[in-house]
Amino acid sequence: AQTVTQSQPEMSVQEAETVTLSCTYDTSESDYYLFWYKQPPSRQMILVIRQEAYKQQNATENRFSVNFQKAAKSFSLKISDSQLGDAAMYFCAYRSANIVKLIFGTGTLLAVQP
Amino acid sequence: KAGVTQTPRYLIKTRGQQVTLSCSPISGHRSVSWYQQTPGQGLQFLFEYFSETQRNKGNFPGRFSGRQFSNSRSEMNVSTLELGDSALYLCASSLTPGEETQYFGPGTRLLVL
Repeated sequence: AQTVTQSQPEMSVQEAETVTLSCTYDTSESDYYLFWYKQPPSRQMILVIRQEAYKQQNATENRFSVNFQKAAKSFSLKISDSQLGDAAMYFCAYRSANIVKLIFGTGTLLAVQP
Repeated sequence: KAGVTQTPRYLIKTRGQQVTLSCSPISGHRSVSWYQQTPGQGLQFLFEYFSETQRNKGNFPGRFSGRQFSNSRSEMNVSTLELGDSALYLCASSLTPGEETQYFGPGTRLLVL
């Protein structure tokens, strides 16, 4: 069975600084997708970034980028120029290519200090 | 384009009752999934529907059921509520099962007393 592990329950970053959130996963599949979702206090789950496993190039969305290491089964999220609005719970998620089922990590609560 | 909508947003029930939650996907989206979020168990997959058929089901008891209508709207039902069913229930939609990204609704917060 696939698992997703987020080893940092909480992180803190100063406004305008850079922070990296860690995620590792375990799977025997070769075709899958990885996601980072953000859940602010409103509890609305918002897609931050996604990565297809077959793509070697790391995904980037504005201030958000990932470091995808397929062999190491690692998928970290880097947030550059952190803003107060980035404060939220961040979830790493895995999805097999063939099954519509997201497997989530336990989340990392990110605080942004002014 | 409107996002995923869920009703009601908040619900209080007592043990033994049943509850029905509703989810309307993004216009054009035909795949709908449900997730349960609790402090203890985190986010867990409940089931997924496409073309009015349940295609995948998570590891939940039979008290949890769902259905999808021809307009892609979905409902989930929990019968004989238990205290442990208190949770945030999230619905997510995607164009088709093959499309990798799911977009989430705001959730329904259920409290069982």
